[in-house]
Amino acid sequence: QKEVEQNSGPLSVPEGAIASLNCTYSDRGSQSFFWYRQYSGKSPELIMFIYSNGDKEDGRFTAQLNKASQYVSLLIRDSQPSDSATYLCAVNTGFQKLVFGTGTRLLVSP
Amino acid sequence: DVKVTQSSRYLVKRTGEKVFLECVQDMDHENMFWYRQDPGLGLRLIYFSYDVKMKEKGDIPEGYSVSREKKERFSLILESASTNQTSMYLCASSARTSGRGQDTQYFGPGTRLTVL
Repeated sequence: QKEVEQNSGPLSVPEGAIASLNCTYSDRGSQSFFWYRQYSGKSPELIMFIYSNGDKEDGRFTAQLNKASQYVSLLIRDSQPSDSATYLCAVNTGFQKLVFGTGTRLLVSP
Repeated sequence: DVKVTQSSRYLVKRTGEKVFLECVQDMDHENMFWYRQDPGLGLRLIYFSYDVKMKEKGDIPEGYSVSREKKERFSLILESASTNQTSMYLCASSARTSGRGQDTQYFGPGTRLTVL
């Protein structure tokens, strides 16, 4: 079974710090990778996607992909209390579907 | 902007009732999905459809059926609602093209269903 693993957390960081969220996946044929943010009681919203090895930056967010290690991460710089949410990692294994991790809960304290 | 809408934000039904959840997307996406989300279990795929009148079972299809008569609309049907179907139901859509972010799934706001 194709799996996506995330630490459930909570990951607690102080305001202004860098939050590092990690995700591993089992299917080496995975093609694209997504990070979603989900506030409590709301639906997931896309933060960013990545499909090539290396880093991809968008504002305070950086996604990192290492296909050899089957590892994708999300860095949030200058974390704000409004970043407190659950972050879902998702992987497209090539069948028009995404496999989601169970999410990491991030808490940013003022 | 992609817009995915769901017919209800909150719904309360009785055990044994037939329940219809509707989802509409305005991005001409080929793929549509129904998930349920429960604490500690994450998102679980119930059914998906990659074209009009086409459907595929996901990981937990038991007790559910779907209908896709028009490209923009995907309905989830609970034939006889049970208390263990109390959950948050999320609809999503995506383009058929894979890779380079074009396979991004966009979610509706969700329907919180309670079965009494």
